[in-house]
Amino acid sequence: KAGVTQTPRYLIKTRGQQVTLSCSPISGHRSVSWYQQTPGQGLQFLFEYFSETQRNKGNFPGRFSGRQFSNSRSEMNVSTLELGDSALYLCASSLNEGAYEQYFGPGTRLTVT
Amino acid sequence: ILNVEQSPQSLHVQEGDSTNFTCSFPSSNFYALHWYRWETAKSPEALFVMTLNGDEKKKGRISATLNTKEGYSYLYIKGSQPEDSATYLCAFMGYNNNDMRFGAGTRLTVKP
Repeated sequence: KAGVTQTPRYLIKTRGQQVTLSCSPISGHRSVSWYQQTPGQGLQFLFEYFSETQRNKGNFPGRFSGRQFSNSRSEMNVSTLELGDSALYLCASSLNEGAYEQYFGPGTRLTVT
Repeated sequence: ILNVEQSPQSLHVQEGDSTNFTCSFPSSNFYALHWYRWETAKSPEALFVMTLNGDEKKKGRISATLNTKEGYSYLYIKGSQPEDSATYLCAFMGYNNNDMRFGAGTRLTVKP
């Protein structure tokens, strides 16, 4: 069974631009969660999608948004990029929403200059 | 406790030693507690998902216990091996939709 895939793996953007990251979950998994990892803040929860609906949201500004498609693939968008958005963005999929094991992708390393 | 706290921050042990670390979390509004292992240059790997007070889970040489009333979980590694070297993260899930909090992790180094 293929694992969670994320594209692109690396990305360099300029302040003020917007970016879209993609996550394909493990086949059959219906829940996708997104996380941001920075040296200063550690791993922080962004949001969770299940059945094309955002179920949970972390404490991030509205510039961070996402969506999930009918095949469970998910995209995350960050608009008006700031330097502080430079981070590793991880997505994780699980069979269902709630207390299920999460399987992480390799991440997208975003650098904002 | 408002945040998820893990101790110690780092740990160096010799191969063969047994070790344990702690995750402290809010005792109210508990839904689940996750443990992950995160090796450098890899993705976090799920170890356990614990939901019931008194839960004890085991996977090979690694086990974990959960006390939701007092808000802590212990992770134990028996007979540590160099390949156990990683950062061990816990994450608290509350019933509130906004609530999924990670600890800063315990960085374990096992010397051969």
